[in-house]
Formats: sequence, structure tokens, C-alpha cells
Amino acid sequence: AQSVTQLGSHVSVSEGALVLLRCNYSSSVPPYLFWYVQYPNQGLQLLLKYTSAATLVKGINGFEAEFKKSETSFHLTKPSAHMSDAAEYFCAVSDLQGAQKLVFGQGTRLTINP
Amino acid sequence: GAVVSQHPSRVICKSGTSVKIECRSLDFQATTMFWYRQFPKQSLMLMATSNEGSKATYEQGVEKDKFLINHASLTLSTLTVTSAHPEDSSFYICSARAGEGPAREQFFGPGTRLTVL
Repeated sequence: AQSVTQLGSHVSVSEGALVLLRCNYSSSVPPYLFWYVQYPNQGLQLLLKYTSAATLVKGINGFEAEFKKSETSFHLTKPSAHMSDAAEYFCAVSDLQGAQKLVFGQGTRLTINP
Repeated sequence: GAVVSQHPSRVICKSGTSVKIECRSLDFQATTMFWYRQFPKQSLMLMATSNEGSKATYEQGVEKDKFLINHASLTLSTLTVTSAHPEDSSFYICSARAGEGPAREQFFGPGTRLTVL
């Protein structure tokens, strides 16, 4: 069964600094991986997804993630943080069997300091 | 883009009553809908998966008689929390997907905050 671990439940960076949110996955087969963002009291919005094409995936709002099979990682980055990036971020892996449901990590709360 | 709505956005009810939450895909046909619950500062936990016209598949530990799911059409799924109790208070989120395949995007609704007094 697939699983996802997000290292760091809370990350705080200064405005303009690099954002790095960590995600490691466990999967017996090549995974499909996703990053979602959740603003307070809202549903989830897809930032980007990896589906076995290019290992460097670019998403919305300037975010990107790199799939590294050797490290079983799919870390999310953004070169320069903006105040509007403050939110909860979830990494997820798609179950390739059955209903192909998403398995979410624990989430990382990103705080941006002015 | 694909839009999923949920109604109501917030509901407060007394213990013992039943609450129905609607999830609609507004501009696409959703062959599969998912229901999640999210406790404060925690991740989303999948409750059940439903396909139009068939019975929902519940995750382990989720009481199917307490959380009734109906997926009557390709654009509507409902979750009914029967005989709600304070421990059922949570943020309920639905998602909808068109078609099959693990790379298919799930589109999420804005969530429903349920408070049981």
C-alpha cells in the first residue's frame, strides 16, 4: 500500500525566501504524486502532479516539485515566498488499485513572516 | 475549470438529529465521488468512495449505517450523518472525479463544517 510522509508539520519562512516543503513516499510501483494547498475553511486546490513524465513538475503560483526515485521524495519548492502562500499544504499519492483513491500526508502549515 | 460545490457550508445541529450534506459537480459529470473528514489541524481521512448508481465503498472503521452516502446522479452525491453526536463534529469535504485512472484529478468542494451540540 502507498503512503506519504511529510517532514515538518509547520514551516516558517520570511517573505522572499525559498520555500521547501518535504514529502517522502512509499510505493511498490511507480507512483502518481500530488501536492495540494488548503486555505482556511476551504477545500483543496491542486498545485501540481507527477504522472511519470518529466521529473521536474511545474505548478501554479510559482511552485514546482521534483520527483527523485532514488530518494523516494517529491519535495515542493518555490524560489521566493509571498504572503499569500501562507496555507496548509498536503502531499498525496494515488492508490493505483481499485478506485485509485488519494492517500494524504499529514500536512505542513506554511507561515510567511513579513 | 471543474467546480465542485457543497451545501451547506456550515451547519449546527442538536445531538441526535440527522444532517444531509450535498456535493455537486457543476460543470462535469463525476463518475466517482469521495467523502473525507478532517479534524482540526489534521489531514484528510477518506471515509468512502461512491460511484454513480452503486453502493458506496466505506473505509475501514467508518460506520456505513451512520454515514449514509447516496450517489444518485453523475452530478450529485449526498452524505447523511444520522443521529449525529458531538464527536461527529468535523469538516467534511467531498471531491469528484471524471473518468478512471490514478492520474485523473480529483476536484474538491469547499467543505462543510458540522458542529453537533
